Formats: sequence, structure tokens, C-alpha cells
Amino acid sequence: EIVLTQSPGTLSLSPGERATLSCRASQTVDSNYLAWFQQKPGLAPRLLIYGASTRATGVPDRFSGSGSGTDFTLTISRLETEDFAVYYCQKYGISPITFGQGTRLEIK
Amino acid sequence: EVQVLESGGGLVQPGGSLRLSCAASGFIFSSYAMSWVRQAPGEGLEWVSGISGGGGGMYYADSVKGRFTISRDNSKNTLYLQADSLSAEDTALYYCAKGGFFEPFNYWGQGTLVTVSS
Repeated sequence: EIVLTQSPGTLSLSPGERATLSCRASQTVDSNYLAWFQQKPGLAPRLLIYGASTRATGVPDRFSGSGSGTDFTLTISRLETEDFAVYYCQKYGISPITFGQGTRLEIK
Repeated sequence: EVQVLESGGGLVQPGGSLRLSCAASGFIFSSYAMSWVRQAPGEGLEWVSGISGGGGGMYYADSVKGRFTISRDNSKNTLYLQADSLSAEDTALYYCAKGGFFEPFNYWGQGTLVTVSS
């Protein structure tokens, strides 16, 4: 099973700043099958990025994904108030599918 | 508009069973893999099980293997999860998601809560 480790656990930033979230895998992940989700309290997760770098439908272009192998990054170029949430990376494709433990992005 | 709507959650005693359902609409159901993902209170996301579009491929997390069974009825556009031998560790909000295997999880329901307690 591929273990995904996200860092930092909590990120405190101000609106307008740039956020960089990391996801490190215990083994090489096929970039085609690395995704990022956003989850706000009381709501279901929302797909942001799939295939490591492809934005899902309706996702603003301030969100971008990059990386390959074992190191992946979600970048939010200029934070807006609505972006403060918990973010999860996910490895899909061959079973088992796994999620990282999440990064909480909070307002500083 | 794509929609997935879970039902069937509730309070069950340890050792008991529940059958969760997920009604889907807005897409060709039989063409897509579907999955169940759960989230224990205050915790992160855990993939539980997935099934291929035609129903021939089924996969499970080790934590539920042998106790949970995923299935689908493509004539009814409905996904199921039969959960047996439930324990307190299975208490969670169970989400149905369109996607799985090599397809991104691009639509999620709002979840159905399963509480295992005596």
C-alpha cells in the first residue's frame, strides 16, 4: 500500500498570500493518478486536481498541481477567504486507493 | 446535472449489519466505476471499496475485507454497500463517489452516517 504523507499538518496564512501544500508518497505514484481535494466543514470533498496537474471543472486557475514520482505539490497562488479548508491528496488507479492525512489551511 | 444520494445509515449495535444505497443520476451509470469513502468523526478520508462500471471488478480496503460487500444494479442506477460484523471503528460518514480505479472521484454525495454503538 502506498502511504501518502502531507505537510504541513496546519498552514496559517493570510488572504492574498501564496499557499504551498506538499504530498509525499512512500513509493512512486503514476502521475496520472494523483488527485487533490478540498473539504469544508460539513461538506463533501470537492475534486480540485486530477492527473497531478489537471484542474477539475469549475476550479479557479489560482489552484495548480505539480510533481511526479514521490513528491507532489498543490499551490494556491493568491488565497481567497473561501480557500481556507482542509486539503487531501489521493492516489487512485490500482487498488488500494489511499488518501493523505490532510493539511488544514487556516486564516492567520 | 450529476447527482449521487446516499441512504441507509443509522444506529446499529456492534456485530450488526447495514445496507447502504447510493442513487445516481445525470450520467450513464454503467459506464463509470463507483466507490465508497468514509470519514470517522473529526478524522480524514478513508477509501472503503470500489466497483467497476460493469460490476465485474470489486476492491476493498483491508480494514473491511471479508465484512463489507459492494455491488451495483445498473438497471436501477444504484450502488450498494452491505456492511456486516460492524464494530465501533466503522462509525463514520459514508460517502458515495462517482469514480474509482483509474477514474477521478469527481462527484460525491453528502454522505450517510453510520453509528455503531450499544
